[in-house]
Amino acid sequence: QSVLTQPPSASGTPGQRVTISCSGSSSNIGSNYVYWYQQLPGTAPKLLIYKNNQRPSGVPDRFSGSKAGTSASLAISGLRSEDEADYYCAAWDDSLSGHVVFGGGTKVTVL
Amino acid sequence: QLQLQESGPGLVKSSETLSLTCTVSGGSISSSSYYWGWIRQPPGKGLEWIGSMHYGGSTYYNPSLKSRVTISVDTSKNQFSLKLSSVTAADTAVYYCARHQSIAARPPYLGEFDPWGQGTLVTVSS
Repeated sequence: QSVLTQPPSASGTPGQRVTISCSGSSSNIGSNYVYWYQQLPGTAPKLLIYKNNQRPSGVPDRFSGSKAGTSASLAISGLRSEDEADYYCAAWDDSLSGHVVFGGGTKVTVL
Repeated sequence: QLQLQESGPGLVKSSETLSLTCTVSGGSISSSSYYWGWIRQPPGKGLEWIGSMHYGGSTYYNPSLKSRVTISVDTSKNQFSLKLSSVTAADTAVYYCARHQSIAARPPYLGEFDPWGQGTLVTVSS
């Protein structure tokens, strides 16, 4: 059972907008930044969003992140076939002397 | 361009100690701005943070693994290592190393993992 809660799956057709939620608590998302990682099949995870809504260089602006209270969201607009991947949210948790928590991951399928 | 590469045995016997090394190239491990972390992913499952260490010695571990984990840094070789003791089949996973951004020291606050190594599969056999 992951500390951060994500839906196990999401899907959309090419060009659609897909949103993935990530729910946490006051000790993690509620007080710290949220990060999103994309894991393409058979590859290592890659940083997609940092500090809630910042995109690293090279990440298309089709990907956007937001945070409100103890929840966060990742939106993919203009969905493309190459976006089919697993997406994980993560945050620092202030409890127990500080540790990293991940969501369970969301599999995005492009129909 | 910073690159990380995991290395170590792909097969470990149950009850023994898993040992992995991550070699950092294209940058120095002795940077005050970063920690160096380990994350694992059991087959078909999600990501689990194991722990992260600063070259200066500060270390943070996953509370659920803390009693079995040791992370160390070798600045002379630009490497950091993971030791996980008393392994069981539940420790079978792909193990990733990654650079871990430090946001603040007091209270401790770590940020994103970027970049990641390609990962190495470790299987625990009985």
